[in-house]
Amino acid sequence: NAGVMQNPRHLVRRRGQEARLRCSPMKGHSHVYWYRQLPEEGLKFMVYLQKENIIDESGMPKERFSAEFPKEGPSILRIQQVVRGDSAAYFCASSPDSGNTIYFGEGSWLTVV
Amino acid sequence: GDSVTQMEGPVTLSEEACLTINCTYTATGYPSLFWYVQYPGEGLQLLLKATKADDKGSNKGFEATYRKETTSFHLEKGSVQVSDSAVYFCALRNSGGGADGLTFGKGTHLIIQP
Repeated sequence: NAGVMQNPRHLVRRRGQEARLRCSPMKGHSHVYWYRQLPEEGLKFMVYLQKENIIDESGMPKERFSAEFPKEGPSILRIQQVVRGDSAAYFCASSPDSGNTIYFGEGSWLTVV
Repeated sequence: GDSVTQMEGPVTLSEEACLTINCTYTATGYPSLFWYVQYPGEGLQLLLKATKADDKGSNKGFEATYRKETTSFHLEKGSVQVSDSAVYFCALRNSGGGADGLTFGKGTHLIIQP
């Protein structure tokens, strides 16, 4: 049973470009979470999605950031017009249902130059 | 809101020393508690968990007991190894209401010297 798969593992973007991060949850998991880890800081919750629905986006910046989890395919975290402050590790996690253990992917490291 | 507080790092120990990393939490209801470990350049791995008061989670020689009376979940290991060097995150999950994710502490960087 493959774990949570994230790609790309490393992404470099110039200021103003778009970044797209993908996450395939573990098989049988319908709940997806995105977290951001800034340098020397802990993980901050961004958004919680179930298939085709955003359940909680209270941790998402109001502008430039969006997330989706379509009926088919991976979850996508999209960052438009990236700035240097967006440089961070972005972790995706999944669980089979509410209240169950959450499993993390290996992360996508975004560097904005 | 929910919060997790864990001891500041870095914590530097010699091999075979005893380890305690303190973690306390604030939450409504009855959260589940977790310790995750992050090795350099990697993602988070679940180390252990406890879902109710007085439960003890254990894995790879690490232990933590869910103490409701002190709202704590301290991580302990009797004899650490160099390979235990990593960042350790305490977290809680409170499934009440719409927010269903984990709330993390800031992490404790553990350095074990040979």
